[in-house]
Amino acid sequence: AQTVTQSQPEMSVQEAETVTLSCTYDTSESNYYLFWYKQPPSRQMILVIRQEAYKQQNATENRFSVNFQKAAKSFSLKISDSQLGDTAMYFCAFMKHGSSNTGKLIFGQGTTLQVKP
Amino acid sequence: GAVVSQHPSRVICKSGTSVKIECRSLDFQATTMFWYRQFPKQSLMLMATSNEGSKATYEQGVEKDKFLINHASLTLSTLTVTSAHPEDSSFYICSASGRTKNIQYFGAGTRLSVL
Repeated sequence: AQTVTQSQPEMSVQEAETVTLSCTYDTSESNYYLFWYKQPPSRQMILVIRQEAYKQQNATENRFSVNFQKAAKSFSLKISDSQLGDTAMYFCAFMKHGSSNTGKLIFGQGTTLQVKP
Repeated sequence: GAVVSQHPSRVICKSGTSVKIECRSLDFQATTMFWYRQFPKQSLMLMATSNEGSKATYEQGVEKDKFLINHASLTLSTLTVTSAHPEDSSFYICSASGRTKNIQYFGAGTRLSVL
């Protein structure tokens, strides 16, 4: 069975600074997807970034980038130039790829990020 | 991006009553819909997966008769919490995907409070 672990329940960062959120996972699959979702106080889940495991290049989306280390099963999220609107709970998630993919997302426990002015 | 509408956003009901939550995909055909439950400051736990026109697949520990899921069309899935009790109070979230299952769109969630 797959598991996703986020070891940082809470983090804080000063506005305009950079912060990195950690995520590790466990799987025997060779190909899969990894995601970071943001859940602001409104509780609407928003996709931040997606990585396909067979792609070696780290995904980036504007101020958001990941450090994907497949051998170490690590998938950290870096937020650059943090903004007040980045304050939210962040979830790391795993999904199988290929014919066995049912679309099931397995979420980590979440990290609450507070961006301070 | 695609829009998923979830209704109602908030419901308060008496113990013993049933509550229906709707999840609609507004601009795409949702072949698969997912229902999650989230407790305060905790992660999302998948309750069930529903494919249009077939019975839902429930996760281990989720009572099928308690949480009735219907996915009768490619744009609508419903979750009915039957004979709700205070312990069913929670935040329920739906998501939907089309043919590309690795892209899911989430509804805004429903906060259920059972008195």
